[in-house]
Amino acid sequence: EAQVTQNPRYLITVTGKKLTVTCSQNMNHEYMSWYRQDPGLGLRQIYYSMNVEVTDKGDVPEGYKVSRKEKRNFPLILESPSPNQTSLYFCASSLSMSGSGEQFFGPGTRLTVL
Amino acid sequence: QKEVEQNSGPLSVPEGAIASLNCTYSDRVSQSFFWYRQYSGKSPELIMSIYSNGDKEDGRFTAQLNKASQYVSLLIRDSQPSDSATYLCAVNKNTGNQFYFGTGTSLTVIP
Repeated sequence: EAQVTQNPRYLITVTGKKLTVTCSQNMNHEYMSWYRQDPGLGLRQIYYSMNVEVTDKGDVPEGYKVSRKEKRNFPLILESPSPNQTSLYFCASSLSMSGSGEQFFGPGTRLTVL
Repeated sequence: QKEVEQNSGPLSVPEGAIASLNCTYSDRVSQSFFWYRQYSGKSPELIMSIYSNGDKEDGRFTAQLNKASQYVSLLIRDSQPSDSATYLCAVNKNTGNQFYFGTGTSLTVIP
């Protein structure tokens, strides 16, 4: 089944404790992206990647890191999480390198930082 | 100024009616436009994409794009209760390969 998977789905952590949210797609997509969704603010792009080893900042990259060492994986790293990073996070992928085509979203990761 | 703006609603329509959802965007270099549907607690899923001025129809859905007015809309004909969801407008600026989403319009179709 073609899909984007994220782990964990739910995470409660404390301020300053490094964490990684994994994202994997099995569709051989070039473009991958991370978003956060907050009430009243909608979906905001954190980082995106057009190909292996090619990543770039989205609209709200502060406090996040990403890497794209393999085509299928695009982990999101929070080196020192803070309460304002409490949010619902979505990973997405698209066949088109520019991302101009359809994006397929993962199921989401609900993160709470205490 | 926000890149993409939508009326947050809620928008309520009776079953069988036409639901009209609207979106404006601020940057004229925007090239690709998308409508996503998001059910409560679920991830967004694509309904329509549109890249050139005019109308694009797919089943009960019609997307309309007017680049001169920087306006994109989604019409849902013969609305069904299963259409009740939040509809997200998204814009891609090819110059930066970034996506911008509106905050979404909540639609309720009343049986």
